[in-house]
Amino acid sequence: SQKIEQNSEALNIQEGKTATLTCNYTNYSPAYLQWYRQDPGRGPVFLLLIRENEKEKRKERLKVTFDTTLKQSLFHITASQPADSATYLCALGGSASKIIFGSGTRLSIRP
Amino acid sequence: NAGVTQTPKFQVLKTGQSMTLQCAQDMNHNSMYWYRQDPGMGLRLIYYSASEGTTDKGEVPNGYNVSRLNKREFSLRLESAAPSQTSVYFCASSGTSGISYNEQFFGPGTRLTVL
Repeated sequence: SQKIEQNSEALNIQEGKTATLTCNYTNYSPAYLQWYRQDPGRGPVFLLLIRENEKEKRKERLKVTFDTTLKQSLFHITASQPADSATYLCALGGSASKIIFGSGTRLSIRP
Repeated sequence: NAGVTQTPKFQVLKTGQSMTLQCAQDMNHNSMYWYRQDPGMGLRLIYYSASEGTTDKGEVPNGYNVSRLNKREFSLRLESAAPSQTSVYFCASSGTSGISYNEQFFGPGTRLTVL
């Protein structure tokens, strides 16, 4: 069955450093991959999308890579700030309108 | 624009009771979704509606029914609530179906406890 794995343990990073989150998947060939941010008690918010034929996407301090051979996406936050502390979810999409979410990685940026 | 709205925000039910969770979006989106989120499990798709008049099962549909009332509204019904349905329920919508962006917009969630 399709499986998405994200770092199950929380990631603690010093402010100003680059945070790198990993999303691995098996038994799936997604057409695109998305990253969402979720704050406690709130719904997820879309951040970035990367298609299967794209290697890298950037948006301000965010960078996403997508390696369909390794079946892996990396999500980077450069110059991290305490306000970046949240849970980050990756999601895979195919030809249908539904997408599959990973369980998320909790990121904590300490001042 | 209110985006995606959900009612109620909180609900406590007894085992066997029924209830309907309401969801509405004002972004003229074709597709709507219901997810549940449990600790350590991530978001799991219950049902979705790719367009008005159609609904399809997701990963965990048992114990739930849905109605796509019109393009704006998508409701989720629990006919006979069970403690295993204690969860946070999110409704979402997206502007496209098929292979495209499919950026999903989420509501604030409904926190449901079944005793």
